[in-house]
Amino acid sequence: NAGVTQTPKFQVLKTGQSMTLQCAQDMNHEYMSWYRQDPGMGLRLIHYSVGAGITDQGEVPNGYNVSRSTTEDFPLRLLSAAPSQTSVYFCASSSPAGVKETQYFGPGTRLLVL
Amino acid sequence: RKEVEQDPGPFNVPEGATVAFNCTYSNSASQSFFWYRQDCRKEPKLLMSVYSSGNEDGRFTAQLNRASQYISLLIRDSKLSDSATYLCVLWNYGGSQGNLIFGKGTKLSVKP
Repeated sequence: NAGVTQTPKFQVLKTGQSMTLQCAQDMNHEYMSWYRQDPGMGLRLIHYSVGAGITDQGEVPNGYNVSRSTTEDFPLRLLSAAPSQTSVYFCASSSPAGVKETQYFGPGTRLLVL
Repeated sequence: RKEVEQDPGPFNVPEGATVAFNCTYSNSASQSFFWYRQDCRKEPKLLMSVYSSGNEDGRFTAQLNRASQYISLLIRDSKLSDSATYLCVLWNYGGSQGNLIFGKGTKLSVKP
């Protein structure tokens, strides 16, 4: 049982490049979410999904897209990277599909946009 | 006023000390409360939920005061391994799922 996995661990991008951050969980959790964490800031919700085929925006969705074609995977796409997207990105999952239930976080992806 | 406020610290304490963290929140309708722990450059992990009656887990005690809108975490007999950032988290009901609100965290450093 690997829990929540994220790839890559580190990434450097140039402004304007696109990329996909991968997130997968093997706990059959319905709820998955993406957060970003910046120095001196709390975690902020980017997008979330309550089940396959269903996604919704969080607090800071601009510049990011998500899809949920399977229960296991919830990739986050940066369409055109900007320096303001330099951050640490955490994927999380929980079950049942209730946000207040314990969320299990992946190890994070550290992204630097030059 | 920010939705969740915590003293950022750092709190530097010797081993064996008792340390208390407070967290205040602005939305009186907030329904559930948690403390998460985050080690340096790692992901957050749930430490404990916070119940109105107060709850204890070993050396850790959490309290909730709804009237004053604050949450506390008390750590007794601090260990070196307690060094981490402690995140105050609350859940607000809203929409189909509500959402978790994270504080910025309070950094604890336990010294030998």
